[in-house]
Amino acid sequence: SQKIEQNSEALNIQEGKTATLTCNYTNYSPAYLQWYRQDPGRGPVFLLLIRENEKEKRKERLKVTFDTTLKQSLFHITASQPADSATYLCALNTGGFKTIFGAGTRLFVKA
Amino acid sequence: GAVVSQHPSRVICKSGTSVKIECRSLDFQATTMFWYRQFPKQSLMLMATSNEGSKATYEQGVEKDKFLINHASLTLSTLTVTSAHPEDSSFYICSARGIQGGTYNEQFFGPGTRLTVL
Repeated sequence: SQKIEQNSEALNIQEGKTATLTCNYTNYSPAYLQWYRQDPGRGPVFLLLIRENEKEKRKERLKVTFDTTLKQSLFHITASQPADSATYLCALNTGGFKTIFGAGTRLFVKA
Repeated sequence: GAVVSQHPSRVICKSGTSVKIECRSLDFQATTMFWYRQFPKQSLMLMATSNEGSKATYEQGVEKDKFLINHASLTLSTLTVTSAHPEDSSFYICSARGIQGGTYNEQFFGPGTRLTVL
């Protein structure tokens, strides 16, 4: 069956460190992959999109990698800050209308 | 750019009444809009996908007569929860996507609507 897996356990890191979140998928051939941030009681906020022919994408302190052989995307936040604490969702799109979301990983950055 | 608004942000209603939620793309034309619901600490569950001017495509298990979707223009979609019951209480989020240059753009989300049915 098709699955998107993100770490269900919360990730706790110290301010200033790099946070790395993982998104693994099975039985998909995504045309592109997106990462979102969601705060409690709010809609997701788009962060980055990476296409199947791209290995890496960066935006300020954010970096996303996409390995279609491993079927994995890694999401990095460098120099993390307490304000980065949120739930981060990965989402796959296979080229059609539908986007499939993972359950998200909760990140806590301690001051 | 790429702002999606949703109204209302919160609504409390009595069982048996209908509730309409509006979703607007403020600064781009949304050829496709999506409606999701989300339960606490769970992922987004896609309810339906709608393209402007055509009928919505509902996901398996979503009652189309209960959740009426209208995508009347390239900037507006509405979700009406008809004859709402307490089990319909949830966080409803809309999302919009446009097309530029023949490829799909990123999907942008509204802030969500918290529906509580008493």
